[in-house]
Amino acid sequence: AQKITQTQPGMFVQEKEAVTLDCTYDTSDQSYGLFWYKQPSSGEMIFLIYQGSYDEQNATEGRYSLNFQKARKSANLVISASQLGDSAMYFCAMRGAIKYSSASKIIFGSGTRLSIRP
Amino acid sequence: ETGVTQTPRHLVMGMTNKKSLKCEQHLGHNAMYWYKQSAKKPLELMFVYSLEERVENNSVPSRFSPECPNSSHLFLHLHTLQPEDSALYLCASSLGTGYDEQYFGPGTRLTVT
Repeated sequence: AQKITQTQPGMFVQEKEAVTLDCTYDTSDQSYGLFWYKQPSSGEMIFLIYQGSYDEQNATEGRYSLNFQKARKSANLVISASQLGDSAMYFCAMRGAIKYSSASKIIFGSGTRLSIRP
Repeated sequence: ETGVTQTPRHLVMGMTNKKSLKCEQHLGHNAMYWYKQSAKKPLELMFVYSLEERVENNSVPSRFSPECPNSSHLFLHLHTLQPEDSALYLCASSLGTGYDEQYFGPGTRLTVT
């Protein structure tokens, strides 16, 4: 069975500091994908970054980077130079081996609430 | 309009009512999804539609009935709900390769009284 674990229910970080949100996963699939989503208080889930299991380099998207350690089954999100607008819930998610040829099945972790202090 | 839209944004309904949630995607995607997000619980996948065909029903009670008339529209018909069905209902879409990320709408906050 597949599982995503986020052990930090909440975090407080000073503005402009870097922050790391932890995510570990469990899967028996050889091919899988890892995602991070941001959910502000408005409710919308915003896609941030994606890492494929066969990607050799860590994914980066602007201030977001994914610290992918395959042997440890971890996929931590690093946000550099945090901003007040980064305050939100952050969800780690995983897609296992392709089940449908035309749809993706993703499971989500329980999330981490990040609060940025001015 | 761009992205994924959902209406209504908020809905209060009694247990005997019948209502529908609507989702529309303007991204040219072929797959659409319904999720339920309850307080203090991970996001739960309810239904998956691929090219207008339902490919997954994740043991969802029959009081929730999805409908996908075309690849741009997805509905969730609700009837005789229970108070524990109160939650944020999120719609998402993806391109349809099986590898791609999902794009979410803003959600409908449902309260069942």
